[in-house]
Amino acid sequence: GAGVSQSPRYKVAKRGQDVALRCDPISGHVSLFWYQQALGQGPEFLTYFQNEAQLDKSGLPSDRFFAERPEGSVSTLKIQRTQQEDSAVYLCASSLGDGQSPLHFGNGTRLTVT
Amino acid sequence: GNSVTQMEGPVTLSEEAFLTINCTYTATGYPSLFWYVQYPGEGLQLLLKATKADDKGSNKGFEATYRKETTSFHLEKGSVQVSDSAVYFCALRSKNQGGKLIFGQGTELSVKP
Repeated sequence: GAGVSQSPRYKVAKRGQDVALRCDPISGHVSLFWYQQALGQGPEFLTYFQNEAQLDKSGLPSDRFFAERPEGSVSTLKIQRTQQEDSAVYLCASSLGDGQSPLHFGNGTRLTVT
Repeated sequence: GNSVTQMEGPVTLSEEAFLTINCTYTATGYPSLFWYVQYPGEGLQLLLKATKADDKGSNKGFEATYRKETTSFHLEKGSVQVSDSAVYFCALRSKNQGGKLIFGQGTELSVKP
């Protein structure tokens, strides 16, 4: 498709389980961003890639959160030993990477930790 | 650090009413400013943007002017429609932060017929 694709759309995990969330950016987009959006809040920045390089991970809330983009295209956000406070919508966005082009967002993955 | 503050919602208006959603920001340098919209069940979409002071962004009847003197980027529309019901997010992007967006908390708009 033409847009940013995220999967799964919904994920329910028991507390303590590991989860992996996938993002397929728009073809040719160099920059890729992950955001966390809690209910009723604005998206909060997690991490940013330029091609395969993770240039900023200042927003990752703990060392249980890990993101990768090994070939500079598809990215995976992994959360280990999930906690209830991890419940949120996880958004992925991509852009051309020139610092001016707009970010295009996927529909997100809604994670519920029970 | 950089931050964005929006007026709290929800905002409820009748069709054809005038809309203003306030947004102010704190940033070093000269950020670019954006409004994104999130319709029910859909992803975030860029509504409009402005990249320098006094620029006016506009789209679909919505407008916002980049006011550096008041550090504001208020969203306005002269006559809202039911189809404008959504959550609106103000955001900024600084050139020295790799292009990442910093969002406000969002303002929910509900337009009644």
